[in-house]
Amino acid sequence: AQRVTQPEKLLSVFKGAPVELKCNYSYSGSPELFWYVQYSRQRLQLLLRHISRESIKGFTADLNKGETSFHLKKPFAQEEDSAMYYCALTGSNYKLTFGKGTLLTVNP
Amino acid sequence: DADVTQTPRNRITKTGKRIMLECSQTKGHDRMYWYRQDPGLGLRLIYYSFDVKDINKGEISDGYSVSRQAQAKFSLSLESAIPNQTALYFCATSDQGAEGYTFGSGTRLTVV
Repeated sequence: AQRVTQPEKLLSVFKGAPVELKCNYSYSGSPELFWYVQYSRQRLQLLLRHISRESIKGFTADLNKGETSFHLKKPFAQEEDSAMYYCALTGSNYKLTFGKGTLLTVNP
Repeated sequence: DADVTQTPRNRITKTGKRIMLECSQTKGHDRMYWYRQDPGLGLRLIYYSFDVKDINKGEISDGYSVSRQAQAKFSLSLESAIPNQTALYFCATSDQGAEGYTFGSGTRLTVV
């Protein structure tokens, strides 16, 4: 079975502060990991995926297979980063399993 | 134009009524999915289809049914709506690779 755990429901930081959204996963094979973002009342958008090793909007995430983690990081948070963030995993069947999400609030 | 279009955007219906939510896509993807989003529970998979002749139950399929009318269309039906089906419903598509999903804008369904 595949599982994604996001331990923080809510995360609040001040503008300019570093931010880290935690994600741990459970999967017996080689997973593909993703981060999705949902701004208020909008559709989910793909933020980044581990296979591409991109940096989008200043966010990065590194897959740590030893710790089975895929934490999302940004060195300097901006107010426009306030959103719901979902970590997701897919295996060989390409079905996405989502974590329960972390609501990030960046305060001015 | 949106890649993945869901209709209606909002719907209020009464308990016991049948309702259909529709999803169409212009991505040319074979795979389509229906999720529901509830506060604190994230997104949970209801049904998915890997091609027109393939329909599979997800983790919470009870009380729902689907129809894949064409590669581009995937409908979700609630045969007899109940209040705990009040949620935000998302349709998504993907290709056969690990490119991630493309989501529709969602349908907010309220069952009273």
